[in-house]
Amino acid sequence: SQKIEQNSEALNIQEGKTATLTCNYTNYSPAYLQWYRQDPGRGPVFLLLIRENEKEKRKERLKVTFDTTLKQSLFHITASQPADSATYLCAPYNFNKFYFGSGTKLNVKP
Amino acid sequence: DGGITQSPKYLFRKEGQNVTLSCEQNLNHDAMYWYRQDPGQGLRLIYYSQIVNDFQKGDIAEGYSVSREKKESFPLTVTSAQKNPTAFYLCASSANTQGPLYEQYFGPGTRLTVT
Repeated sequence: SQKIEQNSEALNIQEGKTATLTCNYTNYSPAYLQWYRQDPGRGPVFLLLIRENEKEKRKERLKVTFDTTLKQSLFHITASQPADSATYLCAPYNFNKFYFGSGTKLNVKP
Repeated sequence: DGGITQSPKYLFRKEGQNVTLSCEQNLNHDAMYWYRQDPGQGLRLIYYSQIVNDFQKGDIAEGYSVSREKKESFPLTVTSAQKNPTAFYLCASSANTQGPLYEQYFGPGTRLTVT
């Protein structure tokens, strides 16, 4: 069955640095992948969508890469700020549905 | 303001009771979804609906039921048959019924505790 892996350990970084979060998937080949942000006790909020043929997508301080050979997506936040502290979920698309990873918690320290 | 509302935010029930969670959207979206989120796990799809009066089971539909009588409403009933109902429940909607190119808009969630 398909499996999505995101680092369950929190990522702690200093303000101003670049945060890099990893999403690995196995046993399927999604043509699309979305990233969401979730704050404690709230619903996820959409950030970016990337297609399999795009390799890289940018939006302001955010950058997503999609390596279909490695079966991996990387999510980068440049010039990170304490307000970026949240849990980030990846959601590869398969069989007409998005499947969500468990997320990685990012802590940006001032 | 357009968006998705879920009520109540917190819900407490005794074991053996059915409970219905409300989800309403005014985004004019065709597709609606129900997810369950447990600590340390990803969102798991319970049910989804692409059109009024039609819905499909997700990956963990056992012990749950839904209805879609109106485009803007998609209530979820957690029945007594659900063995571990305590969880955070999220409702979402999207503009396109089948395309992966459309984001899902999530409600604020309902935290259900069954004792």
